Amino acid sequence: GNSVTQMEGPVTLSEEAFLTINCTYTATGYPSLFWYVQYPGEGLQLLLKATKADDKGSNKGFEATYRKETTSFHLEKGSVQVSDSAVYFCALRGEYGNKLVFGAGTILRVKS
Amino acid sequence: DVKVTQSSRYLVKRTGEKVFLECVQDMDHENMFWYRQDPGLGLRLIYFSYDVKMKEKGDIPEGYSVSREKKERFSLILESASTNQTSMYLCASSLTAYRDRTGELFFGEGSRLTVL
Repeated sequence: GNSVTQMEGPVTLSEEAFLTINCTYTATGYPSLFWYVQYPGEGLQLLLKATKADDKGSNKGFEATYRKETTSFHLEKGSVQVSDSAVYFCALRGEYGNKLVFGAGTILRVKS
Repeated sequence: DVKVTQSSRYLVKRTGEKVFLECVQDMDHENMFWYRQDPGLGLRLIYFSYDVKMKEKGDIPEGYSVSREKKERFSLILESASTNQTSMYLCASSLTAYRDRTGELFFGEGSRLTVL
């Protein structure tokens, strides 16, 4: 079945540091890939997505590239801010399905 | 603006009580989902519904049931709450695959349930 593995946290960074959160997946065919973010006390909201190989999703300075050859969708940001502190979830939806499968989530803490 | 509304942000219930968690979406979405979120386990799918009166079990349906009598409303029911059901419950909705191939989910703010 489909699955998502993302790096364990928490990840603690200083403001303006470079961020990478690794995400790899297992799926048949061509899934759609997502990064969701959950700020403290809130539900999840879509951060970015990519629907086919080599697509790059981007939003709010975050980027992730759909790499089919390495089955990866790593999240990056060049310079994090304290306001980026949140839980980040990698997710995929199978090519013909309606359900999303989520990774365990990675807590990001950014210190000023 | 897209909106998924969960009826209660915080609930405290006693073991054995029947618990209803309500979710309403205003986007005319076909699909609705109930997830449970626990630290270190991510989101786990309890049930989902792809149409009125239709439902499918997710990964952890035991101890839960659902009801979808109208397209916009999806209820999660704990028939007899237990302490191991203390958790954050998240409702989500999406368009069906043939209307949106990407399958983006829209989430409510969550309902934190404590069972004593």
